[in-house]
Amino acid sequence: GAGVSQSPSNKVTEKGKDVELRCDPISGHTALYWYRQSLGQGLEFLIYFQGNSAPDKSGLPSDRFSAERTGGSVSTLTIQRTQQEDSAVYLCASSLGAGGPQTQYFGPGTRLLVL
Amino acid sequence: QKEVEQNSGPLSVPEGAIASLNCTYSDRGSQSFFWYRQYSGKSPELIMSIYSNGDKEDGRFTAQLNKASQYVSLLIRDSQPSDSATYLCAVTRGGSNYKLTFGKGTLLTVNP
Repeated sequence: GAGVSQSPSNKVTEKGKDVELRCDPISGHTALYWYRQSLGQGLEFLIYFQGNSAPDKSGLPSDRFSAERTGGSVSTLTIQRTQQEDSAVYLCASSLGAGGPQTQYFGPGTRLLVL
Repeated sequence: QKEVEQNSGPLSVPEGAIASLNCTYSDRGSQSFFWYRQYSGKSPELIMSIYSNGDKEDGRFTAQLNKASQYVSLLIRDSQPSDSATYLCAVTRGGSNYKLTFGKGTLLTVNP
């Protein structure tokens, strides 16, 4: 079946604008994750969804970042009032669900550039 | 101390040699350990997972885990130029078996 998909693949925006990044997980995967990968910082965890609930938002860097998931499927990560330091690749991953070690499958990412 | 540490490399090996990639982690409660491969401009792809002490082999890849030493390694036998990539070590910590904490990765170059 299809893997994790993300859109847009690239996004260029101006400082201060809001952006929305979309993730469509593998069908049947109840767990969904957002990570950020920036130069010098490596891959950082942002948020975890189990179903439509987000039991762990600890990685969101500021209150400008928010995420939601609807219907236990698609998730949207929103960044308000973007700053240049938000420039990074935003990766979404999904896994079968809670309980035991989970193999996370990553999407292709959205490359965000804030000018 | 960083939570997950890897030598950034680059690690350069000739084709056909064994490449050895190392990772140490700081949290003794870490439970699950993963190696991901990431080609330039692409997303991470799972290579191996290991959960208990010892060796786990899958084709040309062997993962080794030593929880007492807080050390996990990946051996790639008969290295091929197509193995050239960044290898990311990731662990899940006790109490949150869903959250991957990544090292910064080791760049491997296999020379023909």
